[in-house]
Amino acid sequence: GQQVMQIPQYQHVQEGEDFTTYCNSSTTLSNIQWYKQRPGGHPVFLIQLVKSGEVKKQKRLTFQFGEAKKNSSLHITATQTTDVGTYFCAGPAGGTSYGKLTFGQGTILTVHP
Amino acid sequence: NAGVTQTPKFQVLKTGQSMTLQCAQDMNHEYMSWYRQDPGMGLRLIHYSVGAGITDQGEVPNGYNVSRSTTEDFPLRLLSAAPSQTSVYFCASSYRITGNGYTFGSGTRLTVV
Repeated sequence: GQQVMQIPQYQHVQEGEDFTTYCNSSTTLSNIQWYKQRPGGHPVFLIQLVKSGEVKKQKRLTFQFGEAKKNSSLHITATQTTDVGTYFCAGPAGGTSYGKLTFGQGTILTVHP
Repeated sequence: NAGVTQTPKFQVLKTGQSMTLQCAQDMNHEYMSWYRQDPGMGLRLIHYSVGAGITDQGEVPNGYNVSRSTTEDFPLRLLSAAPSQTSVYFCASSYRITGNGYTFGSGTRLTVV
């Protein structure tokens, strides 16, 4: 079945440093979604990418979807303590659009002030 | 709007007991899913539904049953609880066609002793 792999599993940064997490799928994705989960909380949707090579920005966050639609990345510029949490990528399995969403293992980000 | 409501928030079961985790959404979402979250393993899909009366298995369905008699409700039944089912369970819902991803409930923390 489809696998979605994320690296790194953990990342510790000093406040102000940049952070990047990478996501790779074993199959081509119709879209990829990114979620953030604060410690003790639930996942919250951040963004969806659909087009090959797409790049989207949300303030200090930059999301990219690979040309082959099998990989993606999330880059945070100048991290802040509010960025702490686990970042997940997710893609639909089996060619569906949304019904069966497979998540990566997540990257746990710690930001030291 | 309440969004996605999960009950209970915490539960302790003895091995062999059965119980139902409740999930309700008031957004008229077609898609609903159950995930379990264990340390280092991300979010794993248990069962999902693309509409009332339609359910399908996810990655880890054994030991769990679901039904979707209405659009709003998607209960998860543990048939005979085992310690391996100790986890945090999230219910999530989404429109069939959307760029807004899944909305997650606040989760149920289940311990099986």
